[in-house]
Amino acid sequence: TQLLEQSPQFLSIQEGENLTVYCNSSSVFSSLQWYRQEPGEGPVLLVTVVTGGEVKKLKRLTFQFGDARKDSSLHITAAQPGDTGLYLCAGTDSGTSYGKLTFGQGTILTVHP
Amino acid sequence: NAGVTQTPKFQVLKTGQSMTLQCAQDMNHNSMYWYRQDPGMGLRLIYYSASEGTTDKGEVPNGYNVSRLNKREFSLRLESAAPSQTSVYFCASSEQIRLGQTIYEQYFGPGTRLTVT
Repeated sequence: TQLLEQSPQFLSIQEGENLTVYCNSSSVFSSLQWYRQEPGEGPVLLVTVVTGGEVKKLKRLTFQFGDARKDSSLHITAAQPGDTGLYLCAGTDSGTSYGKLTFGQGTILTVHP
Repeated sequence: NAGVTQTPKFQVLKTGQSMTLQCAQDMNHNSMYWYRQDPGMGLRLIYYSASEGTTDKGEVPNGYNVSRLNKREFSLRLESAAPSQTSVYFCASSEQIRLGQTIYEQYFGPGTRLTVT
C-alpha cells in the first residue's frame, strides 16, 4: 500500500504571508493531484501534475512535482482569508487501475485577516 | 450539469439499523468511488466501480456493500450500522484525462454526514 505523508498537518498564518505544504512518499506515482476542501463540501480538484519536475501555477498557487515523482509541494504566495480550507494531495500508482487515488492526511490552513 | 449528487446530506442511525447512501453523476464517467473521511485520516477508499456492472473492494470495505445500478448511479449500503461507521461519506466519479496513461481526475459529491449512536 502506498502512503502519502503531508506536512504540516495544521497551518495558521496571517493574511499576506507565504506558505508551503509538502506531500512525500517513498513510492513513485504516475500522477499527483491537489484538492481543496471547504467545510461541509466535497474536495475540489486544483491541479494534476504528471511529469517529474513539472511546475504548474494557478494564480497565487504554485504546484511542483518532484523529479523522481515521489513528492510534491504546494506554495501559496500572499495568502488570503479565502484560501482557508483543507488541502489534500492524492497520488495514482502507475500500476493501479481505474484511477484509484491514495490520499494524504490533509493540511488544515487558516488565514487570519 | 449537476456533477456528482449525493443523498441524504445528513443521517442519524441507531446501532444495527440499515441504510443506503445514494450517488449519481451526470458526466458520463465510467469509474465511480465511495470514500469515508475521518479527522486526521484523509479520505479512505471503501469500494470502487471501474465500469457499469463491476465493483471492487478498496482499503476499508468491511461493513459495507455497493451496487452499481447503471452508469450514472452507485449506491453504498450499511446493513447493520455500527458507531465506528460514524463518518462523512463522499462519492466520486472520474475520467481518464490521457489515453494510454493511468491519469484520472476525480470529481466529488458534497458528502453525507452519518452519525451512528
